[in-house]
Amino acid sequence: DAGITQSPRHKVTETGTPVTLRCHQTENHRYMYWYRQDPGHGLRLIHYSYGVKDTDKGEVSDGYSVSRSKTEDFLLTLESATSSQTSVYFCASNGQGRGEAFFGQGTRLTVV
Amino acid sequence: GESVGLHLPTLSVQEGDNSIINCAYSNSASDYFIWYKQESGKGPQFIIDIRSNMDKRQGQRVTVLLNKTVKHLSLQIAATQPGDSAVYFCAENLGNTPLVFGKGTRLSVIA
Repeated sequence: DAGITQSPRHKVTETGTPVTLRCHQTENHRYMYWYRQDPGHGLRLIHYSYGVKDTDKGEVSDGYSVSRSKTEDFLLTLESATSSQTSVYFCASNGQGRGEAFFGQGTRLTVV
Repeated sequence: GESVGLHLPTLSVQEGDNSIINCAYSNSASDYFIWYKQESGKGPQFIIDIRSNMDKRQGQRVTVLLNKTVKHLSLQIAATQPGDSAVYFCAENLGNTPLVFGKGTRLSVIA
């Protein structure tokens, strides 16, 4: 398996609080992605990065921001968590931007 | 690990039978397609891929078929085993744009 880890693995937070999820990869991959997974929707892209400090929005980016200050780390921040952001979040990476992306184990976030 | 109680189409097959999982993709310009397997509590894992200039590709016990005319992908699993029970996703790619995933199909293998 590609070395990609997410932290925390589980988090419960209150509505209105900021939350940061972390993704760390040891493959020196240029591209990194954040997806969320919800019943009936499959995996939907939140944001992605195509290099250090280079990021772009995905399909469901409202309410989220990202940062990539190092190749190996990609942070996802919920500025003010809402109940609609209760989900399972997956980070992924690949080297070429196309083709197979390697996924982390996921973070289950519950906003109460 | 993490998983989601997805309300998905479900395919139930007897152990030893062949399975066929179908997917309709969205973008006629997509040039690369992947099938992923997601077991309970884990992230998606790559199974097999196919480029748009091909209509069939075979792996170990798996075959992917691509019909660009009707924007349809299928994944065939031969001699299905209990370990094949999982959710299967197709994903499509155009150039360097991020993968776009389908909603998934749950495969349940009956021993």
